[in-house]
Amino acid sequence: EVQLVESGGGLVQPGGSLRLSCAASGFSFSSYTMSWVRQAPGKGLEWVSSSGGSGVTSYYADSVKGRFTISRDNSKNILYLHMNSLRAGDTAIYYCAKDLELGFEYWGQGTLATVSS
Amino acid sequence: DIQMTQSPSTLSASVGDRVTITCRASQSIGSWLAWYQQKAGKAPNLLIYKASSLRGGVPSRFSGTGSGTEFTLTISSLQPDDSATYYCQLYNNYSWTFSQGTKVEIK
Repeated sequence: EVQLVESGGGLVQPGGSLRLSCAASGFSFSSYTMSWVRQAPGKGLEWVSSSGGSGVTSYYADSVKGRFTISRDNSKNILYLHMNSLRAGDTAIYYCAKDLELGFEYWGQGTLATVSS
Repeated sequence: DIQMTQSPSTLSASVGDRVTITCRASQSIGSWLAWYQQKAGKAPNLLIYKASSLRGGVPSRFSGTGSGTEFTLTISSLQPDDSATYYCQLYNNYSWTFSQGTKVEIK
């Protein structure tokens, strides 16, 4: 059974940093592109970043480019999102998701990151 | 960047009705389009991928059609459990984009 469990969210001041983690199990983690998708309270879905299976390739939404970094540890089956220079507009539930034909097949339960003073 | 337009933004229909939701892309994306269902307080659930492939375990009343710039999600016979928000999502040139969503309510 595929499981994705996010952690690391919390309250941070504007300009601060957070590191989100996503622990994966039930599939061959290194074989799949993994992504982060966020959802601001009461709003729609926004793709944030994706990492190719080997971790060599990574892609970012313009809204986070230069501030967020995606990484993965394929030996531990963990996906990370390092978030710096956080803004109020980054407040959202952050989901990690597993790829299926360039869609998002499995999702975690999400972790809430709140940026506020 | 490719823009996506989903319509309608809300719809209200009765149990048993046939429901259609449309997504239009500002330029051709081939078949790289997916559909999701999201219920309140839950993570999204993939229904359709590559425009028309039904994900395993998804009821057959859901179907997807289209290619290029126009895509549709059809629910052939609306059920009470289908009350949710539906999103389409495209892929193009190492970027993924979600639409604004359609809220489906049961009359």
